[in-house]
Amino acid sequence: NAGVTQTPKFQVLKTGQSMTLQCAQDMNHEYMSWYRQDPGMGLRLIHYSVGAGITDQGEVPNGYNVSRSTTEDFPLRLLSAAPSQTSVYFCASGTGTSGIVRGETQYFGPGTRLLVL
Amino acid sequence: GQSLEQPSEVTAVEGAIVQINCTYQTSGFYGLSWYQQHDGGAPTFLSYNALDGLEETGRFSSFLSRSDSYGYLLLQELQMKDSASYFCVLISDRGSTLGRLYFGRGTQLTVWP
Repeated sequence: NAGVTQTPKFQVLKTGQSMTLQCAQDMNHEYMSWYRQDPGMGLRLIHYSVGAGITDQGEVPNGYNVSRSTTEDFPLRLLSAAPSQTSVYFCASGTGTSGIVRGETQYFGPGTRLLVL
Repeated sequence: GQSLEQPSEVTAVEGAIVQINCTYQTSGFYGLSWYQQHDGGAPTFLSYNALDGLEETGRFSSFLSRSDSYGYLLLQELQMKDSASYFCVLISDRGSTLGRLYFGRGTQLTVWP
């Protein structure tokens, strides 16, 4: 049981390039989400999904796209990278919104460290 | 909206007790969680308070007072491995933001030998 996996671990991009951050989970969780963490900051929600085929925006969605074609995978796409997107990106999964509001844990991946030059 | 305030740094020695405070402003929430993060790695869940009062899990306890918009994480018998960042997290109960997690900026705990 690998939990939540993210690839790549590190990435350097030039301004204007696009890329996809991969996230997968093997816990059959319906709920998946993407966060970014900037230095000295807490995590901020980018996008989330409550199940395959359903996605929605979080606090800071601009410049990012997501899709959820399977329960296991939830990729995050940067359409045209900007230096402001330099950050650490975490993917998380959980059983669902009903679990979240009962305080169930969200399982986080190890993160992808992105530098945009 | 949702906002949380917590101290940026706390230091303590091994074996001591430390309390990390969290004050919040909220338009509505289900409860307050705490997460631990070592060296920028994956955050891991520590505790959750839906109701006022103290929740105890081993060496860690968490407290919530809704009337005071205040919570804290209490770590007892500190160990070197407790050196990490600790985040208080609100879980929103408002309409379009229902179920969203709102993180504080985190408190870096350093435990000295």
